[in-house]
Amino acid sequence: KNEVEQSPQNLTAQEGEFITINCSYSVGISALHWLQQHPGGGIVSLFMLSSGKKKHGRLIATINIQEKHSSLHITASHPRDSAVYICAVFSNTGNQFYFGTGTSLTVIP
Amino acid sequence: DSGVTQTPKHLITATGQRVTLRCSPRSGDLSVYWYQQSLDQGLQFLIQYYNGEERAKGNILERFSAQQFPDLHSELNLSSLELGDSALYFCASSVDYRGDTGELFFGEGSRLTVL
Repeated sequence: KNEVEQSPQNLTAQEGEFITINCSYSVGISALHWLQQHPGGGIVSLFMLSSGKKKHGRLIATINIQEKHSSLHITASHPRDSAVYICAVFSNTGNQFYFGTGTSLTVIP
Repeated sequence: DSGVTQTPKHLITATGQRVTLRCSPRSGDLSVYWYQQSLDQGLQFLIQYYNGEERAKGNILERFSAQQFPDLHSELNLSSLELGDSALYFCASSVDYRGDTGELFFGEGSRLTVL
């Protein structure tokens, strides 16, 4: 069983649509990271959350610690948002990271 | 540009061989993390060093080892290579030793192919 589950695995959207990617985890955590991996392979950190909500431009990330769930929202999606989005949690009991398998997003013009 | 440098970018070698991957963290960052990304298992945390000392260990095989040098660059050594070791190996750095106190900055990865 994976410590981190993401849904959906694949997502295709029309440009301008509102997108939600979900992440659920089963371990105790002290932080959750959302990462973006472009087709070239490079990984960029989008957010680190330990509670509440954060917003950067068109991206919004929320976390509910009690429900062990986080969501990544993209408003007014654009083809350049096409990438794999990965949820990663930092478990303070094991002092290590666990990763979701990623959500592959394709935004069509 | 994240400021994290990984070399080599690509590496092709044969089973049974040994390779060394190198990572230079972002200026000022004391923590280096190593991750493996394979097609069948996704991203996995291997090991973390902070200011020269091993800080946390994940799913790192006994055939793999790492170290962080006084100038803070880190090396990941992979030995007795098997076909299943073919993967993208990422290094990330952060300023602190905990994964819940700061952003992670990733290198572009080293793609290892074992034939």
